Amino acid sequence: SAVISQKPSRDICQRGTSLTIQCQVDSQVTMMFWYRQQPGQSLTLIATANQGSEATYESGFVIDKFPISRPNLTFSTLTVSNMSPEDSSIYLCSVGVIGTGGRTVQGYTFGSGTRLTVV
Amino acid sequence: TQLLEQSPQFLSIQEGENLTVYCNSSSVFSSLQWYRQEPGEGPVLLVTVVTGGEVKKLKRLTFQFGDARKDSSLHITAAQPGDTGLYLCAYAGFQKLVFGTGTRLLVSP
Repeated sequence: SAVISQKPSRDICQRGTSLTIQCQVDSQVTMMFWYRQQPGQSLTLIATANQGSEATYESGFVIDKFPISRPNLTFSTLTVSNMSPEDSSIYLCSVGVIGTGGRTVQGYTFGSGTRLTVV
Repeated sequence: TQLLEQSPQFLSIQEGENLTVYCNSSSVFSSLQWYRQEPGEGPVLLVTVVTGGEVKKLKRLTFQFGDARKDSSLHITAAQPGDTGLYLCAYAGFQKLVFGTGTRLLVSP
């Protein structure tokens, strides 16, 4: 399965600033995703990162707050903009591997996450 | 409203005890997955159940998919401290993965 490297692993940021998180995969993958995990909670999907086009955001998440780039099949970035303490969470990158039928994702792999604290 | 509700939310037990975690929904799914997440790591897939009534075993873990494919359970026999973590059920929607509310398990020696 794909190996995902996420940077930084953790950061403490001042409110009002922005942080860009990088996700590097060791192989070309079709599907890349960004999740948020608030303290003590489950994972919530932020968006699907689309190569060469705008990301597809889930309800409650907007591009101005969480701009995403995906310039190629192995790399994506998530920016958390104009941060507030409520943005303190773990942000995780995930990739999906399409099955041989070419339509459904057969498996998902996750990075170790970026633990963000906003003060 | 979360599509997949897990219970209990938190479970603290002693080593050697048995436990069951439930994942419930009013929707029907073609399959459900179970993940475990340890502190500082991303979730790791444990199993995928695809057939109503299916039972899968992974060492001391037993997974069951409900007959109507609306719910699933995870049973752990003789829990060990290494079983500590966040257990998540999830369904693979159209090209995306959606998680349940999660069950945090703490197994003390």
